[in-house]
Amino acid sequence: AQSVAQPEDQVNVAEGNPLTVKCTYSVSGNPYLFWYVQYPNRGLQFLLKYITGDNLVKGSYGFEAEFNKSQTSFHLKKPSALVSDSALYFCAVRDSNSGYALNFGKGTSLLVTP
Amino acid sequence: DARVTQTPRHKVTEMGQEVTMRCQPILGHNTVFWYRQTMMQGLELLAYFRNRAPLDDSGMPKDRFSAEMPDATLATLKIQPSEPRDSAVYFCASGLTGTSGGVYNEQFFGPGTRLTVL
Repeated sequence: AQSVAQPEDQVNVAEGNPLTVKCTYSVSGNPYLFWYVQYPNRGLQFLLKYITGDNLVKGSYGFEAEFNKSQTSFHLKKPSALVSDSALYFCAVRDSNSGYALNFGKGTSLLVTP
Repeated sequence: DARVTQTPRHKVTEMGQEVTMRCQPILGHNTVFWYRQTMMQGLELLAYFRNRAPLDDSGMPKDRFSAEMPDATLATLKIQPSEPRDSAVYFCASGLTGTSGGVYNEQFFGPGTRLTVL
């Protein structure tokens, strides 16, 4: 079985400060990991993914994520937050031993204040 | 700019009525997913198709929900009869998956259909 946990319902950060949105996962095989962002009244937009290779993955809008196998984590990061980054962020995982569907976390609401 | 399209964007109906939601996946994508999003449950996978064949519909209430892919450019999700608890945003997503499972690309989501059942 595959699962993903986002331990924080909400993350607040001041504009210009670094941000981290946490994600941990559980799979039986190799993990394929994804981050998506959802703006109000919109569908989910792909940010980045880890399939294999370099543990630090760079994605859209200046976001990056670090895959840590020993801690089973895939935290989303950005060095300097923008007010426009305020949105709902979803972590998702697919187990290489399972089908093609992704298992999404509950989502973390990011609020960046001016 | 290739996008997943969904119609209608909004639907208000009365309990007991049939609801049909449509999705046009990105051309060339071979896998289509249906999700439902609510405040309480978050994002739930309802069903998905690969090469138009249903692979998993375990997340779908079988007595009232049905999903089909009449052709590669159209996926439908029907609710009959609808109930107030079906009120949610329904998302379609498409992606390209490899025959061996070793190739996996991200899913692209449509804008969603906001369903309100009174």
